[in-house]
Parts: sequence; structure tokens; C-alpha cells
Amino acid sequence: AQKVTQAQTEISVVEKEDVTLDCVYETRDTTYYLFWYKQPPSGELVFLIRRNSFDEQNEISGRYSWNFQKSTSSFNFTITASQVVDSAVYFCALRASNTGKLIFGQGTTLQVKP
Amino acid sequence: ETGVTQTPRHLVMGMTNKKSLKCEQHLGHNAMYWYKQSAKKPLELMFVYNFKEQTENNSVPSRFSPECPNSSHLFLHLHTLQPEDSALYLCASSHEPPGQSNTEAFFGQGTRLTVV
Repeated sequence: AQKVTQAQTEISVVEKEDVTLDCVYETRDTTYYLFWYKQPPSGELVFLIRRNSFDEQNEISGRYSWNFQKSTSSFNFTITASQVVDSAVYFCALRASNTGKLIFGQGTTLQVKP
Repeated sequence: ETGVTQTPRHLVMGMTNKKSLKCEQHLGHNAMYWYKQSAKKPLELMFVYNFKEQTENNSVPSRFSPECPNSSHLFLHLHTLQPEDSALYLCASSHEPPGQSNTEAFFGQGTRLTVV
């Protein structure tokens, strides 16, 4: 079975704080793909990053960084120096190599206060 | 402007009504999806179309009927819905080369459906 767990339902921080969103996944596939999406109040899911199961390099993009650890089946997302515009619901998702099906976590609502 | 456009953005319908949701993608993708997002639940995949052929139906009740006339358009026909069907319905598309599934999906802004 495939499953994605985002244990943090809601997180509230003050602007300029760093914040980490946790994602733990379960799969029996050896090849799979992990994604993070952001859902602002407007509704659409905005793609942030894709990571292949065979590439454990961490990635940094501006204030965003991702820590992929196969040993713990985790793909955590850190926002450095958070801003009010980062307020949104963030989803982690898993996709097996042989299917177009994205399995989403329940999402983490991030509120960044000024 | 997003490459995936959904209309209408909001819809209120009675349980005896028939309505349709429309999705259009301008990205040249060959796969399209319908997802349902209910309050306090993960996004649920409903249907998958690849090159206009339905490749997945995730045990969706027959009161939801998808239609994909071409690779750019996807419809979700609704009839005799229940109040618990009220949710945000999201359309997505992706480019799926044969034998690969590593591409990201692009989402529309969704249709907020309320069944009364």
C-alpha cells in the first residue's frame, strides 16, 4: 500500500522564522517520485518540487529547501525566513513509477503572521 | 494565467439538478485528471484519462460521469448529487511519455461545488 502522512495539521509562525513541514511516506516500490505542492487561498495547487527515489541529493531553491532521506522515508520541506505570502496549505505527494496516480498527504496549513 | 482553466469557479446545485464542470488545458499534455478535495480529507483521485482514454476510475459513484472528447478538454457531468458531494473539484493535466511517470501535474483553480 502507498501512503503519505503529514502529521502537522496546522503550523503558525511569525514572519522571518524558519519552519519545517514534515512528510513521511510508505511504498513498496523501488522507483517512485515525491512532490511538494502549495495551495494558496485561490485554490490551485502550485508545483514546487519533484524528487526521484534514486536521487537523495538535498535541494535548495531560494528560501526553500528539501531534505530527502530514504532511510527514514521522509521528504521534509523547510522555508527559511518565512514571509506572509508563504501562508498556504502545503501538500506532499507520492507517485509510483508505473502509475499516473498521485497519493497526497492531508496537507499542512501554514500561517505566517506579520 | 494558469495553463489549466476550470469553469465555473463556483457552483450551487440542488440534488435533482444536472450540471457539468469543464476543464481545459493549454499545455499540450496528454493526461488529465479529476480530483476531489473535501474538508479535512486528503485529495482523492477520481478519474484519469490518457490520450482521451479513461485509464482509472477510483470507485467513483455513477452520479459522477466524466467525459474527455480530446486531450485538451475534460468534463465532469453531475446528476442527483448528495450534500456530502460538496467539495472543491480540481482538474489537473500532465505530460506522460510512454513508459515514464515522473512528470508533475499542473492543476486548475478548482470548482467549489455546493449541493443543497
